[in-house]
Amino acid sequence: GESVGLHLPTLSVQEGDNSIINCAYSNSASDYFIWYKQESGKGPQFIIDIRSNMDKRQGQRVTVLLNKTVKHLSLQIAATQPGDSAVYFCAENHILTGGGNKLTFGTGTQLKVEL
Amino acid sequence: DTEVTQTPKHLVMGMTNKKSLKCEQHMGHRAMYWYKQKAKKPPELMFVYSYEKLSINESVPSRFSPECPNSSLLNLHLHALQPEDSALYLCASSHPPPSWGFTFGSGTRLTVV
Repeated sequence: GESVGLHLPTLSVQEGDNSIINCAYSNSASDYFIWYKQESGKGPQFIIDIRSNMDKRQGQRVTVLLNKTVKHLSLQIAATQPGDSAVYFCAENHILTGGGNKLTFGTGTQLKVEL
Repeated sequence: DTEVTQTPKHLVMGMTNKKSLKCEQHMGHRAMYWYKQKAKKPPELMFVYSYEKLSINESVPSRFSPECPNSSLLNLHLHALQPEDSALYLCASSHPPPSWGFTFGSGTRLTVV
């Protein structure tokens, strides 16, 4: 079967510190991964994505690392801010034979930023 | 326009009611999706439409009936729901492969009483 899972359900960090959220996946055929941020009462918000032919991708204050050897994905947030407090999901994308994409989500990590 | 718009934002319905959830996007995406999300859980795929045709039904009960009237609109018709169907219903859209742009709406918070 296929699964996308997260190691830690809750992560607490001090404001200004760096945060690292981890994700394990099992489908080695997946070629595209996405990190989403979800605040309470809102839909998932795209943060950053990475294709399987890449090891690292950087955005504004965020970096995604992909280790295909151990099927591991991580999201690094630099200088974490209170506004970063949310649930973070990794998602694994599959191309459907009928068209479209299917996103399979991990269980989520609650990031709490302490002042 | 880079948004997926869902209406209503909140809905309370009885088990004998019929209601519809609506979703709209004007990004030119030709794939649209319904996801269901329970509290403290990840979103779970319900339906996928590609070029206005239903391509995936993840064994969803028939009391949920999707409809894609055109490339910009996606509806979810609800009938005879159960209290356990209470959840956040998320609509999303994307370009079909090989491009992506997977975008979620803010969801409809549904409560079945």
